[in-house]
Amino acid sequence: KQEVTQIPAALSVPEGENLVLNCSFTDSAIYNLQWFRQDPGKGLTSLLLIQSSQREQTSGRLNASLDKSSGRSTLYIAASQPGDSATYLCAVKNSGGGADGLTFGKGTHLIIQP
Amino acid sequence: DGGITQSPKYLFRKEGQNVTLSCEQNLNHDAMYWYRQDPGQGLRLIYYSQIVNDFQKGDIAEGYSVSREKKESFPLTVTSAQKNPTAFYLCASSISWNTEAFFGQGTRLTVV
Repeated sequence: KQEVTQIPAALSVPEGENLVLNCSFTDSAIYNLQWFRQDPGKGLTSLLLIQSSQREQTSGRLNASLDKSSGRSTLYIAASQPGDSATYLCAVKNSGGGADGLTFGKGTHLIIQP
Repeated sequence: DGGITQSPKYLFRKEGQNVTLSCEQNLNHDAMYWYRQDPGQGLRLIYYSQIVNDFQKGDIAEGYSVSREKKESFPLTVTSAQKNPTAFYLCASSISWNTEAFFGQGTRLTVV
């Protein structure tokens, strides 16, 4: 069964730093990988979607990479700002079996210190 | 405004009651999903529907029921058979089963 792990579980950095969040998955048979942001008590906001055939996707200060063969993805945040403080979730869509939902990691809780 | 609307935002349930959580989308998406989020755990799939009048159990379907009578609506009923219903419930939709997923703002259910 697919398992998704996110490291670190929590991270606190000063404003302006570049940072990397990590996501690993045990089964490389994925269709795509999606990164989300969740603010306290709120729903999930989609940040980036990477198809299994892609190596990376960029949106503004965010860059996500995917190495399907090694079961890893990273989310790079450039020039961090206090508004980036949130929980970041990684999720994979499995390509084997039925057309079911996403498998999620437990998230990285990020705090950007002003 | 296009999006996914969940209501209510907060819901309180007495022991033995059934309650229904609403999820409506105006994105013309075929696929809809219900997830449950507990502190310290990842989101877990309760039910999903790839098309109107069809739905499938997810990983933790026991104690829950759904219907998909209209493309835009996918209500979730939490029955009295669900022993630990206190959680944050999230509804999502996507154009099809393998495309980008979008989420609503969630419903927090508390048993009193």
